[in-house]
Amino acid sequence: SQQGEEDPQALSIQEGENATMNCSYKTSINNLQWYRQNSGRGLVHLILIRSNEREKHSGRLRVTLDTSKKSSSLLITASRAADTASYFCATGLITQGGSEKLVFGKGTKLTVNP
Amino acid sequence: SQTIHQWPATLVQPVGSPLSLECTVEGTSNPNLYWYRQAAGRGLQLLFYSVGIGQISSEVPQNLSASRPQDRQFILSSKKLLLSDSGFYLCARDRGETEAFFGQGTRLTVV
Repeated sequence: SQQGEEDPQALSIQEGENATMNCSYKTSINNLQWYRQNSGRGLVHLILIRSNEREKHSGRLRVTLDTSKKSSSLLITASRAADTASYFCATGLITQGGSEKLVFGKGTKLTVNP
Repeated sequence: SQTIHQWPATLVQPVGSPLSLECTVEGTSNPNLYWYRQAAGRGLQLLFYSVGIGQISSEVPQNLSASRPQDRQFILSSKKLLLSDSGFYLCARDRGETEAFFGQGTRLTVV
């Protein structure tokens, strides 16, 4: 079953605006990651935030994590047309065997209009 | 380098035919390996993951199976494909609690 659920499912904005995507999850996690996928391609890792962190920055990306609400947000500032892609959150779940598996949400499709 | 080789890029197969998709990784030993399937415009569904040679965990009951004959090789198979097996298949690797690296995917169309 899906662990993370992103919202909105789709987001359309103008270049220069900020884009905010949210992710909610169900179980305790070790970390939460955000990925980007261009149409028909593999996923590319953007940023990882650990469960003991509350906020992380990478260039124009800002990720927050609220473990009490089991939610995370990804903010892309000053968006560009090249940011158009689908964005996924993923959580690392500890299995019964003690290993960790990576489970993804359904994604947010972001369109940045020039 | 953290490279994942996944082939073929596209595949069209008739219903009832067998399937074998191969994924090999470079740059690390003892990785966790994953097979995901993505329906058009949808999220990633975890199919199988492996923490070591011969160790396969299946996430959903289905028409597919996976094997890991070598540390850096992960194979997705089916004896008889169904129409519902169509989708975009992605192989990925991580080392646990780290970022995952993805292959470029295989688009499978079952006709």
